[in-house]
Amino acid sequence: AQSVTQLDSQVPVFEEAPVELRCNYSSSVSVYLFWYVQYPNQGLQLLLKYLSGSTLVKGINGFEAEFNKSQTSFHLRKPSVHISDTAEYFCAVSDGDYKLSFGAGTTVTVRA
Amino acid sequence: DVKVTQSSRYLVKRTGEKVFLECVQDMDHENMFWYRQDPGLGLRLIYFSYDVKMKEKGDIPEGYSVSREKKERFSLILESASTNQTSMYLCASSFLGTFGNQPQHFGDGTRLSIL
Repeated sequence: AQSVTQLDSQVPVFEEAPVELRCNYSSSVSVYLFWYVQYPNQGLQLLLKYLSGSTLVKGINGFEAEFNKSQTSFHLRKPSVHISDTAEYFCAVSDGDYKLSFGAGTTVTVRA
Repeated sequence: DVKVTQSSRYLVKRTGEKVFLECVQDMDHENMFWYRQDPGLGLRLIYFSYDVKMKEKGDIPEGYSVSREKKERFSLILESASTNQTSMYLCASSFLGTFGNQPQHFGDGTRLSIL
């Protein structure tokens, strides 16, 4: 099974500033990669996914992520955050199994 | 839109009780999953099911069992609840797809407290 590391547990950021959330996974075999967001008192919602093709993936709410196979990374970025982006973000990896391995999560707090 | 509905948002039970958590999805998904979410640990898979009456253990199945009698419904059972099972429980579903390329869709979770 994959091991997924989210390098930052907490990321405070000011409104309209850029944010990057880092995710590394353990294996370089073919993988499928996902980012999910969890707003307070809600379940997880899919932000974006990488299955194949272009290494730059665009998702909902202005988020994008870049797949780097050599560095086994899948970092999430947004050029300008809003207060409403305050949430917990999870990176998840599938290595061809139906199961997903999740990182521990990164809490993003956007301040005015 | 896919809808995954968990029967309770909040639940309080006592140690030793048998607890049932119910999950229903409305998109004819083959796969269904039960996770528990604890701070700093992310989501950990308890059980999953890829078809009616089929189930497989996840990473932390001890103390839990599951039931899938109908395609749309997946139940998690705590046989004898203990305080270390106090947690947020999340249900998810997905299409079968091709070797894990389908995203999972999540319910809003059940926050379970065992006293």
